[in-house]
Amino acid sequence: DTAVSQTPKYLVTQMGNDKSIKCEQNLGHDTMYWYKQDSKKFLKIMFSYNNKELIINETVPNRFSPKSPDKAHLNLHINSLELGDSAVYFCASSPQASVAATQYFGPGTRLTVL
Amino acid sequence: AQSVTQLDSHVSVSEGTPVLLRCNYSSSYSPSLFWYVQHPNKGLQLLLKYTSAATLVKGINGFEAEFKKSETSFHLTKPSAHMSDAAEYFCVVSESTGYSTLTFGKGTMLLVSP
Repeated sequence: DTAVSQTPKYLVTQMGNDKSIKCEQNLGHDTMYWYKQDSKKFLKIMFSYNNKELIINETVPNRFSPKSPDKAHLNLHINSLELGDSAVYFCASSPQASVAATQYFGPGTRLTVL
Repeated sequence: AQSVTQLDSHVSVSEGTPVLLRCNYSSSYSPSLFWYVQHPNKGLQLLLKYTSAATLVKGINGFEAEFKKSETSFHLTKPSAHMSDAAEYFCVVSESTGYSTLTFGKGTMLLVSP
């Protein structure tokens, strides 16, 4: 029983395409996140949703649009993909949005833009 | 603003010898601190966390960390390394204000030789 799952695991696409990554958690958590890990393994928060509402929106190009249809799902849609979007994208969830809450991470989606 | 500095990008140890991964943090408020581990091509797993309770925190797989406010440090240790400990380790800070925003260090790669 995977706690936080992401699909697809690998995504290879051409520049200019639009793609989506899906995330689901079965932990009953209220809060979900998207992180980007670059080629140097540096992780940075992109977005956070609490009870389907956007609460954190870091400086991310507006080509990236998160959507949370319900508390258990947080999807990431990327328009007009660029070479610099190549990275590993991690979804995470936590019981609540408080600073001491442990975040549980998915296995990651490796996006390669050619 | 919060930040994390992991003082070593790589640490090499022999199996059975102690492990020390160093982390310094900067925070305007009382922080929560975490160590996460990432095995190759895997997601992130929480090792341990500090949230203003006991300053010596015990985690999974024999790891522990000590919060030292005077030194703004949160070093990770293990008495005896196993081959399976070889992975990337991230020190993470979350400030106790507003929503949970994790700031990651750049990671320390732990190499374990037989």
